[in-house]
Amino acid sequence: DAKTTQPPSMDCAEGRAANLPCNHSTISGNEYVYWYRQIHSQGPQYIIHGLKNNETNEMASLIITEDRKSSTLILPHATLRDTAVYYCIVRVREGGADGLTFGKGTHLIIQP
Amino acid sequence: GAGVSQTPSNKVTEKGKYVELRCDPISGHTALYWYRQSLGQGPEFLIYFQGTGAADDSGLPNDRFFAVRPEGSVSTLKIQRTERGDSAVYLCASSPYRAGELFFGEGSRLTVL
Repeated sequence: DAKTTQPPSMDCAEGRAANLPCNHSTISGNEYVYWYRQIHSQGPQYIIHGLKNNETNEMASLIITEDRKSSTLILPHATLRDTAVYYCIVRVREGGADGLTFGKGTHLIIQP
Repeated sequence: GAGVSQTPSNKVTEKGKYVELRCDPISGHTALYWYRQSLGQGPEFLIYFQGTGAADDSGLPNDRFFAVRPEGSVSTLKIQRTERGDSAVYLCASSPYRAGELFFGEGSRLTVL
């Protein structure tokens, strides 16, 4: 079973910031938070990951709460091409099971 | 550079037939994964290879499913005596190292009539 909880769907206006929440209240100390997204009819695409510090790359920012029980993926200026299912996954980076466990994710719809 | 390539992109077969799905990972990636995705669901882990060996095959649903990676590069997922419930998109992913970020292919859509 997935160890994360996400809302099934969200809407966001084009050009605005999209904030996608994820609850991972049972996360272990050595587990990272990963985000992937899947655009319709494509394979999942890696976005970002983090352990406890906030992270930013060219695609998104990841904000992890101090207790690490939840996180938020931020797409700063959403475009129509960001419409996709976003998956939040917790995973041990070294020495653990290697397969990602996907839940149902959040279907983010960017409205023009 | 070239990404993960999967063939065929679509396969329609009849119940009871044998099917092979091929995955060409990104060159130099040592880790290779197979997932299955049914409509409206997230991808479901099937098997993971590190090099030539299957390091974790705990996700294979039954003994009709088998995968190989004989030279540590290309992998083939083999499904015997296909059933209608095997209909899904089969995704392959590769990673440059164990527990690294996964790069997925576009998937092979299998339809069993």
